[in-house]
Amino acid sequence: AQRVTQPEKLLSVFKGAPVELKCNYSYSGSPELFWYVQYSRQRLQLLLRHISRESIKGFTADLNKGETSFHLKKPFAQEEDSAMYYCAGRGKLIFGQGTELSVKP
Amino acid sequence: GAVVSQHPSRVICKSGTSVKIECRSLDFQATTMFWYRQFPKQSLMLMATSNEGSKATYEQGVEKDKFLINHASLTLSTLTVTSAHPEDSSFYICSARENRGLGPQHFGDGTRLSIL
Repeated sequence: AQRVTQPEKLLSVFKGAPVELKCNYSYSGSPELFWYVQYSRQRLQLLLRHISRESIKGFTADLNKGETSFHLKKPFAQEEDSAMYYCAGRGKLIFGQGTELSVKP
Repeated sequence: GAVVSQHPSRVICKSGTSVKIECRSLDFQATTMFWYRQFPKQSLMLMATSNEGSKATYEQGVEKDKFLINHASLTLSTLTVTSAHPEDSSFYICSARENRGLGPQHFGDGTRLSIL
């Protein structure tokens, strides 16, 4: 079955610390993966997709087929990064459980 | 950028009422739209895929007769929760893909449905 897994429900770091939000996928065929972010009281927004290999707001994510992972990273967390982050895969978007990132001053 | 508008944002109604939620793509055509349900502190659960001009595709465990989906035009999909009961109370979110279904998904603001 198609599955996207985010093992951490909550990740708390201090401002300026590195951040890694984990995402593992499990399905056949070519992976199509995205990271979405949901700030408090706002709609879901696309943050990254693996095919574009871009950096948005300092975040990057690399697809690792060997480990079937698509972890989201940022070298120096900012307070404004605090939000819910969802990893999602495939055309109709199978969502991971979400990770709440809390960046403390 | 591409915008998806969802209406209403909040509905409070009595048990037994049918509620219609609209999802519109404002500046692009969407042959495919998606309906999700989100419980408090949980992730989004895909309910169904809405296809313009044809029947919706429902995920396993989602009642077709309970959640009626109509996608009559390239910019509008509607979800009707029929004879709603308190257990149907939830946050419903729609999304649409631009670029003929090949582009990224854009999400509506969601509809908070509360059944008394």
